Amino acid sequence: DGGITQSPKYLFRKEGQNVTLSCEQNLNHDAMYWYRQDPGQGLRLIYYSQIVNDFQKGDIAEGYSVSREKKESFPLTVTSAQKNPTAFYLCASSPQAGGTGELFFGEGSRLTVL
Amino acid sequence: GQNIDQPTEMTATEGAIVQINCTYQTSGFNGLFWYQQHAGEAPTFLSYNVLDGLEEKGRFSSFLSRSKGYSYLLLKELQMKDSASYLCAVPPGGSYIPTFGRGTSLIVHP
Repeated sequence: DGGITQSPKYLFRKEGQNVTLSCEQNLNHDAMYWYRQDPGQGLRLIYYSQIVNDFQKGDIAEGYSVSREKKESFPLTVTSAQKNPTAFYLCASSPQAGGTGELFFGEGSRLTVL
Repeated sequence: GQNIDQPTEMTATEGAIVQINCTYQTSGFNGLFWYQQHAGEAPTFLSYNVLDGLEEKGRFSSFLSRSKGYSYLLLKELQMKDSASYLCAVPPGGSYIPTFGRGTSLIVHP
C-alpha cells in the first residue's frame, strides 16, 4: 500500500546527542515536510522540500537539519543545538510543490530527551 | 502574519450535532483545510474549502466565509470514534504550505 513511513515510532535520547528520524514515502510525491507538535499547540513547520536536493527552512528550523537526496526520503536530524527537542514529530508529503492539495502524514515519531 | 483561532475543547453527546469554529487572519487566501487527529496518531484530511459556502461530505460538512475570515466544521450524528482533535489550517498569502491552528479537542460522551 502507498503511504508514508516514519521510524522509529518512539525514541529516547540523552542530552547532547544527535538523533535522526526517518521518513520514507512511496506515493511519488514531490513535496515533503517536517512538523513538530507539542501538547496544546498546533503543528509547527520545521523544514520542507519541494524537489530532490533542495529544501527550505520553516518557522522553527534552528537546531534541526534535513537532506533530500532521494525523492522518497526526507530524514530529519535533531541536533544537540535544539534546546527543547522532546516532542511529537510528523512527516508529511503532498503531490506537488505549489499546489493546494492535502498533506499526507506519517504516523509520527515521539522523541523524548532524558 | 498568520493568526488562526479555534476553541481549545468542546464536549458533545453521542448522536448529537457539533459545530467547531475557526477564525483566521491572512494577507492572502489559498484555501482552508480541516484535519482530524486522534490522540498519538497522524492527522487525516477531512476537507478543503476555497470558495464561500458549505461543502458536505457524509456526516461532516465544512463552511467558509472569506469576507469574515471564518470557517466551521459541522459533525452530525456524533459517534464515540469522533472524539479527536480537529485542526484548522490555512496557507498564508503567497504560500501553499498550511499553518495550523492549535486544534479543538472534541470529547463525545454517551
